[in-house]
Amino acid sequence: DTGVSQDPRHKITKRGQNVTFRCDPISEHNRLYWYRQTLGQGPEFLTYFQNEAQLEKSRLLSDRFSAERPKGSFSTLEIQRTEQGDSAMYLCASSLSSGGADNEQFFGPGTRLTVL
Amino acid sequence: AQKVTQAQTEISVVEKEDVTLDCVYETRDTTYYLFWYKQPPSGELVFLIRRNSFDEQNEISGRYSWNFQKSTSSFNFTITASQVVDSAVYFCALSEWAGSARQLTFGSGTQLTVLP
Repeated sequence: DTGVSQDPRHKITKRGQNVTFRCDPISEHNRLYWYRQTLGQGPEFLTYFQNEAQLEKSRLLSDRFSAERPKGSFSTLEIQRTEQGDSAMYLCASSLSSGGADNEQFFGPGTRLTVL
Repeated sequence: AQKVTQAQTEISVVEKEDVTLDCVYETRDTTYYLFWYKQPPSGELVFLIRRNSFDEQNEISGRYSWNFQKSTSSFNFTITASQVVDSAVYFCALSEWAGSARQLTFGSGTQLTVLP
């Protein structure tokens, strides 16, 4: 399977704990995105990487959130000191785009986070 | 104001009926992209179509068709002869410049239920 993969698919944690999610994009894709989706809503943009550079972060991304994409391949999203409001589906997407163009993003299956 | 408005929260049709999902967007960009994604019960977002702002030609792909009208800022999606497998949440999304990169903003989605 050569699609976007995410790990884990589900994560249950207690408030105050740290969690880390991983995303493996489609191998030739240079852009990688993280989104958060809550029940009944569309995905909300969190952050975006062009190769290894993090180019944009949403105001939704508080100081407790950090994302990395070392070597421009896989990416990790870490949430420190989780809060119940962090419970959501975290989606990763990748695309192959250049310049000002914006090609379709391919989404992974998501990581569902539940904070107790 | 929302950048992408999908006023229909839920639609229910009987199999073989035609159904149109509405999408209205708001942007100041002259160059932007519009997308439709499908999210079946399994949860993974599936890309359906991408349209750039300079191409107002309507598109048909099998039972799916899209009507893009810049004059009314709308990008509506029609499913002809609906099938039970079309049941899903459908999202319209707008890609426009935000800071140093394009950002994808999703509508809140339309839950389509096709009854046998």
